Amino acid sequence: QQQVKQSPQSLIVQKGGISIINCAYENTAFDYFPWYQQFPGKGPALLIAIRPDVSEKKEGRFTISFNKSAKQFSLHIMDSQPGDSATYFCAASRGYGGATNKLIFGTGTLLAVQP
Amino acid sequence: GAVVSQHPSWVICKSGTSVKIECRSLDFQATTMFWYRQFPKQSLMLMATSNEGSKATYEQGVEKDKFLINHASLTLSTLTVTSAHPEDSSFYICSAAGTRGRGEQFFGPGTRLTVL
Repeated sequence: QQQVKQSPQSLIVQKGGISIINCAYENTAFDYFPWYQQFPGKGPALLIAIRPDVSEKKEGRFTISFNKSAKQFSLHIMDSQPGDSATYFCAASRGYGGATNKLIFGTGTLLAVQP
Repeated sequence: GAVVSQHPSWVICKSGTSVKIECRSLDFQATTMFWYRQFPKQSLMLMATSNEGSKATYEQGVEKDKFLINHASLTLSTLTVTSAHPEDSSFYICSAAGTRGRGEQFFGPGTRLTVL
């Protein structure tokens, strides 16, 4: 029940295309769903996050779509650029993942944007 | 944004020695700090959670006598890998949560440990 399943494991997209990464969770107590971007040899950086009271959140080229009934959420990267090539992790937690509310991470998606 | 630093960024040590990694929150007070371990091409695995002034809570399967965590102040936590062995070689990442934002975790840049 604590797992967050992420797919695909890897993704190749042409420059200018749309990258889509999907995640699914089981624990209905989760109410915070962040996405992290990680470059090789660096720590993860928060990209965008959503709470279950909205079905979509957009920040620049990045959009989270959230389906509460299906217990799924996805990251869409519009107009993908070579600089977006990185590993992306979805996560879920109760609260905001601080204090005793642990972040449960997905398995990661390695995105390669070809020029 | 909130800044979390780690020191050193990389370390190489001989088998059997101990290594200390520092995690600092530079511009906010971190009431809770988390330590993660990440193997190549894998996800982050939570090792332990520490609250300032309290003993750390370790995840199942993590040896608390091998991975010593100290969170003595609101801006500093340390992870000491005792009697390190080659299988301890990994990327160690800390995060901090506290007075910045809504309490979410802010991640450090990671420390690459290589045990020869």
